[in-house]
Amino acid sequence: AQSVTQLDSQVPVFEEAPVELRCNYSSSVSVYLFWYVQYPNQGLQLLLKYLSGSTLVKGINGFEAEFNKSQTSFHLRKPSVHISDTAEYFCAVRRAGYGGSQGNLIFGKGTKLSVKP
Amino acid sequence: GAGVSQSPSNKVTEKGKDVELRCDPISGHTALYWYRQSLGQGLEFLIYFQGNSAPDKSGLPSDRFSAERTGGSVSTLTIQRTQQEDSAVYLCASSLGQGARETQYFGPGTRLLVL
Repeated sequence: AQSVTQLDSQVPVFEEAPVELRCNYSSSVSVYLFWYVQYPNQGLQLLLKYLSGSTLVKGINGFEAEFNKSQTSFHLRKPSVHISDTAEYFCAVRRAGYGGSQGNLIFGKGTKLSVKP
Repeated sequence: GAGVSQSPSNKVTEKGKDVELRCDPISGHTALYWYRQSLGQGLEFLIYFQGNSAPDKSGLPSDRFSAERTGGSVSTLTIQRTQQEDSAVYLCASSLGQGARETQYFGPGTRLLVL
């Protein structure tokens, strides 16, 4: 079975400051890794995903994440945040190589990013 | 439409009543997933469809929950005899159904409140 831990439930940060949202996972098999963002009263939107290859993944809105297999981490970073980045961010894993029934996403509990002026 | 749509966007019901939640996936997507987002449990997988078949119902929390999909498109999640603990946001996602590497696209969700 897989599990995801997001270490911070809330992260307050000032506008234009850098931010890192932490994610660690546990799995006995290979996994794919995802970060989703949820703006208030909206569904989830994919920010980026790691499937294979380069461990540094760039996504939308200036976000990037680095896969670290030895530390089983997939932390999300942005060098300079904006007020509009205020949202909840979810890290998720999915068992690699399978679609369908073993392809459902397993989510962390989310991190609420609050960007202050 | 361009994305996954869900209806209703909000639903308030009384304990013991039945509710139906609808999901319209992106056209051409054969895989469809239902998730539940609640304060205590976070985001949980409920059920998966490939076409009209549901090979994985492992996430359904009780036999009060059921789902169907018709024509390989629209899906309905039904909760019978609702309980207060069913209050949550129910999210639907769809994907092409070609493997685990693909992206799941989420709808805006249905907020269910059971009084």
